[in-house]
Amino acid sequence: IAGITQAPTSQILAAGRRMTLRCTQDMRHNAMYWYRQDLGLGLRLIHYSNTAGTTGKGEVPDGYSVSRANTDDFPLTLASAVPSQTSVYFCASSDLAGTDTQYFGPGTRLTVL
Amino acid sequence: GQNIDQPTEMTATEGAIVQINCTYQTSGFNGLFWYQQHAGEAPTFLSYNVLDGLEEKGRFSSFLSRSKGYSYLLLKELQMKDSASYLCAVRDSNYQLIWGAGTKLIIKP
Repeated sequence: IAGITQAPTSQILAAGRRMTLRCTQDMRHNAMYWYRQDLGLGLRLIHYSNTAGTTGKGEVPDGYSVSRANTDDFPLTLASAVPSQTSVYFCASSDLAGTDTQYFGPGTRLTVL
Repeated sequence: GQNIDQPTEMTATEGAIVQINCTYQTSGFNGLFWYQQHAGEAPTFLSYNVLDGLEEKGRFSSFLSRSKGYSYLLLKELQMKDSASYLCAVRDSNYQLIWGAGTKLIIKP
Protein backbone atom coordinates (compact mmCIF):
# COMPACT_ATOMS: atom_id res chain seq x y z
CA ILE A 1 0.00 0.00 0.00
CA ALA A 2 1.24 3.48 -0.76
CA GLY A 3 -0.75 6.42 0.58
CA ILE A 4 -4.40 6.23 1.56
CA THR A 5 -6.87 3.51 0.68
CA GLN A 6 -10.63 3.63 1.09
CA ALA A 7 -13.24 0.88 0.94
CA PRO A 8 -15.66 0.28 -0.54
CA THR A 9 -15.18 2.16 -3.82
CA SER A 10 -18.92 2.56 -4.13
CA GLN A 11 -22.01 1.38 -2.30
CA ILE A 12 -25.77 1.52 -2.66
CA LEU A 13 -27.49 1.41 0.71
CA ALA A 14 -31.07 1.27 1.87
CA ALA A 15 -32.17 4.07 4.17
CA GLY A 16 -32.00 3.10 7.83
CA ARG A 17 -29.08 0.72 7.37
CA ARG A 18 -25.79 1.06 9.20
CA MET A 19 -22.64 1.52 7.12
CA THR A 20 -18.95 1.87 7.88
CA LEU A 21 -16.59 3.45 5.38
CA ARG A 22 -13.00 2.33 5.87
CA CYS A 23 -9.87 4.43 5.54
CA THR A 24 -6.28 3.28 6.01
CA GLN A 25 -3.04 5.21 5.50
CA ASP A 26 0.51 3.88 5.54
CA MET A 27 2.35 7.20 5.77
CA ARG A 28 2.33 7.29 9.57
CA HIS A 29 0.53 10.63 9.43
CA ASN A 30 -0.75 11.93 12.73
CA ALA A 31 -3.89 13.66 11.50
CA MET A 32 -6.80 12.22 9.50
CA TYR A 33 -9.98 13.73 8.12
CA TRP A 34 -13.30 12.77 6.59
CA TYR A 35 -14.93 15.03 4.01
CA ARG A 36 -18.03 14.81 1.88
CA GLN A 37 -18.20 16.32 -1.58
CA ASP A 38 -21.51 17.27 -3.15
CA LEU A 39 -22.13 18.83 -6.55
CA GLY A 40 -21.84 22.60 -6.46
CA LEU A 41 -20.45 22.66 -2.94
CA GLY A 42 -16.94 22.68 -1.59
CA LEU A 43 -15.55 19.79 0.39
CA ARG A 44 -17.12 19.80 3.85
CA LEU A 45 -15.36 18.41 6.90
CA ILE A 46 -17.34 15.77 8.79
CA HIS A 47 -14.92 14.66 11.51
CA TYR A 48 -11.21 14.81 12.09
CA SER A 49 -8.55 13.28 14.32
CA ASN A 50 -5.39 15.19 15.22
CA THR A 51 -3.70 12.10 16.63
CA ALA A 52 -4.53 8.49 17.50
CA GLY A 53 -7.02 8.31 20.34
CA THR A 54 -8.59 11.73 19.71
CA THR A 55 -11.40 12.88 17.41
CA GLY A 56 -13.24 16.13 16.75
CA LYS A 57 -16.34 17.37 14.97
CA GLY A 58 -16.15 19.24 11.72
CA GLU A 59 -18.70 21.36 9.89
CA VAL A 60 -21.29 18.60 9.22
CA PRO A 61 -20.93 15.86 11.89
CA ASP A 62 -24.60 14.97 12.46
CA GLY A 63 -25.44 11.38 11.57
CA TYR A 64 -21.78 10.31 11.46
CA SER A 65 -19.33 8.93 14.00
CA VAL A 66 -15.62 8.09 13.87
CA SER A 67 -12.99 6.34 15.91
CA ARG A 68 -9.19 6.44 15.86
CA ALA A 69 -7.91 3.39 17.70
CA ASN A 70 -4.50 3.50 15.99
CA THR A 71 -2.46 5.73 13.67
CA ASP A 72 -3.37 3.99 10.42
CA ASP A 73 -7.15 3.53 10.50
CA PHE A 74 -9.97 6.06 10.64
CA PRO A 75 -13.39 4.48 9.94
CA LEU A 76 -16.50 6.57 9.39
CA THR A 77 -19.84 5.11 10.49
CA LEU A 78 -23.33 6.10 9.43
CA ALA A 79 -25.53 4.71 12.20
CA SER A 80 -28.80 4.93 10.26
CA ALA A 81 -28.32 6.16 6.71
CA VAL A 82 -30.63 8.77 5.18
CA PRO A 83 -30.90 9.87 1.51
CA SER A 84 -29.26 13.24 2.28
CA GLN A 85 -26.07 11.32 3.06
CA THR A 86 -25.76 10.36 -0.60
CA SER A 87 -22.39 11.83 -1.51
CA VAL A 88 -18.78 11.12 -2.34
CA TYR A 89 -16.73 10.64 0.80
CA PHE A 90 -13.02 11.40 0.92
CA CYS A 91 -10.61 10.47 3.65
CA ALA A 92 -7.44 12.56 3.95
CA SER A 93 -4.36 12.66 6.14
CA SER A 94 -1.58 15.08 7.03
CA ASP A 95 1.65 14.64 8.94
CA LEU A 96 0.79 17.29 11.50
CA ALA A 97 -2.67 18.52 12.35
CA GLY A 98 -3.43 21.94 10.96
CA THR A 99 -0.02 22.80 9.59
CA ASP A 100 0.67 20.36 6.82
CA THR A 101 -0.66 19.55 3.38
CA GLN A 102 -3.55 17.11 3.32
CA TYR A 103 -3.38 14.06 1.04
CA PHE A 104 -6.55 12.37 -0.12
CA GLY A 105 -7.75 8.82 -0.63
CA PRO A 106 -9.59 7.80 -3.81
CA GLY A 107 -13.05 8.30 -2.32
CA THR A 108 -16.20 6.26 -1.69
CA ARG A 109 -19.33 6.98 -3.71
CA LEU A 110 -22.32 6.30 -1.46
CA THR A 111 -25.93 6.25 -2.59
CA VAL A 112 -28.68 6.00 0.03
CA LEU A 113 -32.09 5.04 -1.34
CA GLY B 1 -19.69 33.48 7.82
CA GLN B 2 -16.77 32.04 5.93
CA ASN B 3 -16.78 32.14 2.17
CA ILE B 4 -14.55 31.09 -0.69
CA ASP B 5 -15.54 32.24 -4.19
CA GLN B 6 -14.30 30.81 -7.46
CA PRO B 7 -15.78 30.85 -10.97
CA THR B 8 -17.84 27.75 -11.63
CA GLU B 9 -16.41 26.99 -15.04
CA MET B 10 -13.79 28.30 -17.45
CA THR B 11 -12.80 27.34 -20.97
CA ALA B 12 -9.36 27.76 -22.51
CA THR B 13 -7.42 26.61 -25.56
CA GLU B 14 -4.60 24.08 -25.60
CA GLY B 15 -1.23 25.86 -25.45
CA ALA B 16 -2.70 29.04 -23.98
CA ILE B 17 -2.56 30.56 -20.47
CA VAL B 18 -5.46 30.66 -18.02
CA GLN B 19 -5.87 32.39 -14.67
CA ILE B 20 -8.31 31.00 -12.09
CA ASN B 21 -9.25 33.47 -9.37
CA CYS B 22 -10.21 32.81 -5.77
CA THR B 23 -11.47 35.35 -3.24
CA TYR B 24 -11.99 34.53 0.39
CA GLN B 25 -13.53 35.83 3.58
CA THR B 26 -12.56 33.68 6.52
CA SER B 27 -12.12 33.92 10.27
CA GLY B 28 -8.36 34.20 10.26
CA PHE B 29 -5.85 33.12 7.67
CA ASN B 30 -3.14 30.49 7.96
CA GLY B 31 -2.41 29.71 4.35
CA LEU B 32 -4.11 29.05 1.03
CA PHE B 33 -4.01 25.84 -0.98
CA TRP B 34 -4.77 24.92 -4.57
CA TYR B 35 -5.71 21.37 -5.46
CA GLN B 36 -6.43 19.72 -8.79
CA GLN B 37 -9.23 17.18 -9.09
CA HIS B 38 -9.86 15.15 -12.23
CA ALA B 39 -13.40 13.86 -12.68
CA GLY B 40 -14.06 10.85 -10.46
CA GLU B 41 -10.72 11.12 -8.71
CA ALA B 42 -9.30 12.48 -5.48
CA PRO B 43 -8.03 16.04 -5.08
CA THR B 44 -4.25 16.29 -5.44
CA PHE B 45 -2.09 19.06 -3.97
CA LEU B 46 -0.79 21.71 -6.36
CA SER B 47 0.45 24.69 -4.35
CA TYR B 48 0.53 26.48 -1.01
CA ASN B 49 0.81 30.22 -0.29
CA VAL B 50 1.08 31.77 3.14
CA LEU B 51 2.97 34.99 2.30
CA ASP B 52 2.05 37.56 -0.33
CA GLY B 53 3.52 37.05 -3.74
CA LEU B 54 3.97 34.51 -6.46
CA GLU B 55 4.98 30.86 -6.05
CA GLU B 56 6.08 29.17 -9.26
CA LYS B 57 6.14 25.44 -9.89
CA GLY B 58 6.80 24.52 -13.48
CA ARG B 59 3.80 25.39 -15.63
CA PHE B 60 1.73 26.31 -12.57
CA SER B 61 2.04 29.46 -10.46
CA SER B 62 -0.04 30.68 -7.54
CA PHE B 63 -0.35 34.24 -6.28
CA LEU B 64 -1.59 35.56 -2.95
CA SER B 65 -2.63 38.98 -1.67
CA ARG B 66 -3.69 38.71 1.96
CA SER B 67 -4.80 42.34 2.19
CA LYS B 68 -7.23 41.79 -0.70
CA GLY B 69 -8.32 38.29 0.30
CA TYR B 70 -7.36 37.15 -3.18
CA SER B 71 -5.42 34.43 -4.89
CA TYR B 72 -5.05 33.15 -8.41
CA LEU B 73 -3.73 30.00 -10.03
CA LEU B 74 -1.97 30.55 -13.35
CA LEU B 75 -1.61 27.64 -15.75
CA LYS B 76 0.72 28.10 -18.73
CA GLU B 77 1.15 26.06 -21.92
CA LEU B 78 -2.15 24.33 -21.30
CA GLN B 79 -2.39 20.64 -22.10
CA MET B 80 -5.49 18.53 -22.55
CA LYS B 81 -4.64 16.69 -19.33
CA ASP B 82 -5.11 19.98 -17.44
CA SER B 83 -8.86 19.59 -17.94
CA ALA B 84 -9.99 19.19 -14.33
CA SER B 85 -11.53 21.05 -11.44
CA TYR B 86 -9.30 23.37 -9.44
CA LEU B 87 -10.11 23.77 -5.77
CA CYS B 88 -9.10 26.73 -3.62
CA ALA B 89 -8.95 26.18 0.15
CA VAL B 90 -8.06 28.50 3.03
CA ARG B 91 -6.83 27.42 6.44
CA ASP B 92 -8.70 29.47 9.02
CA SER B 93 -7.88 30.57 12.57
CA ASN B 94 -8.80 27.08 13.85
CA TYR B 95 -6.41 25.53 11.31
CA GLN B 96 -9.33 23.91 9.49
CA LEU B 97 -9.51 24.03 5.70
CA ILE B 98 -12.43 25.95 4.19
CA TRP B 99 -13.02 24.87 0.59
CA GLY B 100 -14.36 26.64 -2.45
CA ALA B 101 -16.74 24.75 -4.72
CA GLY B 102 -14.06 24.47 -7.40
CA THR B 103 -13.58 25.76 -10.93
CA LYS B 104 -14.11 23.31 -13.76
CA LEU B 105 -11.53 24.02 -16.46
CA ILE B 106 -12.32 22.81 -19.96
CA ILE B 107 -9.45 22.72 -22.44
CA LYS B 108 -10.28 22.81 -26.13
CA PRO B 109 -7.88 21.74 -28.86
